[in-house]
Amino acid sequence: EPEVTQTPSHQVTQMGQEVILRCVPISNHLYFYWYRQILGQKVEFLVSFYNNEISEKSEIFDDQFSVERPDGSNFTLKIRSTKLEDSAMYFCATLGVQETQYFGPGTRLLVL
Amino acid sequence: AQKVTQAQTEISVVEKEDVTLDCVYETRDTTYYLFWYKQPPSGELVFLIRRNSFDEQNEISGRYSWNFQKSTSSFNFTITASQVVDSAVYFCALASGGGADGLTFGKGTHLIIQP
Repeated sequence: EPEVTQTPSHQVTQMGQEVILRCVPISNHLYFYWYRQILGQKVEFLVSFYNNEISEKSEIFDDQFSVERPDGSNFTLKIRSTKLEDSAMYFCATLGVQETQYFGPGTRLLVL
Repeated sequence: AQKVTQAQTEISVVEKEDVTLDCVYETRDTTYYLFWYKQPPSGELVFLIRRNSFDEQNEISGRYSWNFQKSTSSFNFTITASQVVDSAVYFCALASGGGADGLTFGKGTHLIIQP
């Protein structure tokens, strides 16, 4: 069973626009992660978030990306000025039992 | 640097055949975790199994089995008596350190089970 839900399931935006992707944990979690998967490619780690701080980030996670947990529940990924190459599936994950990451259903982002 | 290699891009077999998906990993850490995830056509990532570096016991779960060999840095996945519902992309992944780190994924193997 998924431990997180994600909204929206699909989003279409114009290049240069800001988008916010949301991750809603079903139960209390301390660790959150964002990954992306460009169509037909492998899943790539973006960032991990623990105790309201970024714990680790990849080279992909540059200044156009930011994460926060504004209300102590939802966990968001913001892309400030989207580019065509940001089109991908974005997955949120949480750390469950036995240090296993469980993924949400994903948000498919299309940048036109 | 960590790396996961899934050399088989696509495998196609006929239903009821056995199939093995290969995974080779690289890490300098002595403590690490290996995972397999399934991505069906619907797109979600479904957790299948987790192994830590100190547990080389092979595991069987129904038609699925996993062979972890540290000597060859491999963590292979076998499906016995494959079924059409097994058709999916299968990803092997690696996490080092405390296990809470970001996962490094392989490129995935697209498994096609033909009826």
